[in-house]
Amino acid sequence: GENVEQHPSTLSVQEGDSAVIKCTYSDSASNYFPWYKQELGKRPQLIIDIRSNVGEKKDQRIAVTLNKTAKHFSLHITETQPEDSAVYFCAARGSFGGGATNKLIFGTGTLLAVQP
Amino acid sequence: SQTIHQWPATLVQPVGSPLSLECTVEGTSNPNLYWYRQAAGRGLQLLFYSVGIGQISSEVPQNLSASRPQDRQFILSSKKLLLSDSGFYLCAWSWTGSGEQYFGPGTRLTVT
Repeated sequence: GENVEQHPSTLSVQEGDSAVIKCTYSDSASNYFPWYKQELGKRPQLIIDIRSNVGEKKDQRIAVTLNKTAKHFSLHITETQPEDSAVYFCAARGSFGGGATNKLIFGTGTLLAVQP
Repeated sequence: SQTIHQWPATLVQPVGSPLSLECTVEGTSNPNLYWYRQAAGRGLQLLFYSVGIGQISSEVPQNLSASRPQDRQFILSSKKLLLSDSGFYLCAWSWTGSGEQYFGPGTRLTVT
């Protein structure tokens, strides 16, 4: 079935360093890849997304890259700050019977800790 | 702008008791609606999704059910709660044809 693998499960960086989280998806028909940030006890918040017709997207300190051939996509956070500490989830939009659905297949999450 | 509400925010229920969680969306029409469960320290498990009134798709066999009595209302229910039903229940919505999902504030359920 459809699957999204996410690595690493935990990541600790020093403030100011960069952080990279990687995801691999199985469904070659997936065409939309969002990233969510979830702070402790809060709801997941959509922070950036990318569609399959784009290879890279950037929004201030965060960027996402997509390699359709290899079926993997990554989140890059530069100049990390303590407030970036959270769990990050990647996701891929699923397909059904060859057609797109709005269902998202989520990765298992990465706990990012930014040490001041 | 669109707003999604969930209530209650927290709930403590004994094993075997019934459950009803409610989710409503404002500022949009005919949204796709989703129920997720998140166990402590774990990922997001899709339970149900709905593309319209009365249209419910179940993702995981369990003792939970969902209903959509109105366009912007989504209800999660159980007749008899199990200990394993404890978790953080999140409702989400998206526009029809869009993959972007927006989550509600969640209900933290503890079954004792």
